[in-house]
Amino acid sequence: AQKVTQAQTEISVVEKEDVTLDCVYETRDTTYYLFWYKQPPSGELVFLIRRNSFDEQNEISGRYSWNFQKSTSSFNFTITASQVVDSAVYFCALSEASSNQFYFGTGTSLTVIP
Amino acid sequence: EAQVTQNPRYLITVTGKKLTVTCSQNMNHEYMSWYRQDPGLGLRQIYYSMNVEVTDKGDVPEGYKVSRKEKRNFPLILESPSPNQTSLYFCASSSIAQNQPQHFGDGTRLSIL
Repeated sequence: AQKVTQAQTEISVVEKEDVTLDCVYETRDTTYYLFWYKQPPSGELVFLIRRNSFDEQNEISGRYSWNFQKSTSSFNFTITASQVVDSAVYFCALSEASSNQFYFGTGTSLTVIP
Repeated sequence: EAQVTQNPRYLITVTGKKLTVTCSQNMNHEYMSWYRQDPGLGLRQIYYSMNVEVTDKGDVPEGYKVSRKEKRNFPLILESPSPNQTSLYFCASSSIAQNQPQHFGDGTRLSIL
């Protein structure tokens, strides 16, 4: 079974619109870590945020915000007032304390139209 | 500059011809890992290493080998490459394992004909 599900394969928005990228995870561990990475068209993978399972506080960084809800096993990512430079593939990832493996979702390709 | 360096960046080769993709990091990280990225499948972990001489299988280890003889290097070896190993490969490193963000190399695009 997929441990990290990103159901949205592709999203297109017009510049300045808000957009939310969904991430649902599955784990039996009580201690785990969640990550978001960005892969722009140039191909490199850029770390955006890490969250541990004991910290459900939402986080805001500029136009980016993350909503972590253990009750629904979700770790969603919202971009406010999207810009063309936000166009990229975004990956959600999970790491469990019981294992040293990382599990990535299949990614969401975001296109921001000027 | 802190970085993870992969070589080569691009390689076209033929079925059965052994190849090695090198990965080196200069951050003194204990944890290193290899991933492959395929359309619609995201990134899948091939192998990882917690430290020198310690390696473990990820989700898709078949057809690959790795070694960790030095802390900074983690080469990926394809003993007998096949077309289904055509993919984009990323090496990554981090200090400790589970809770630290990984630093990724720029990727290696392999085409096996």
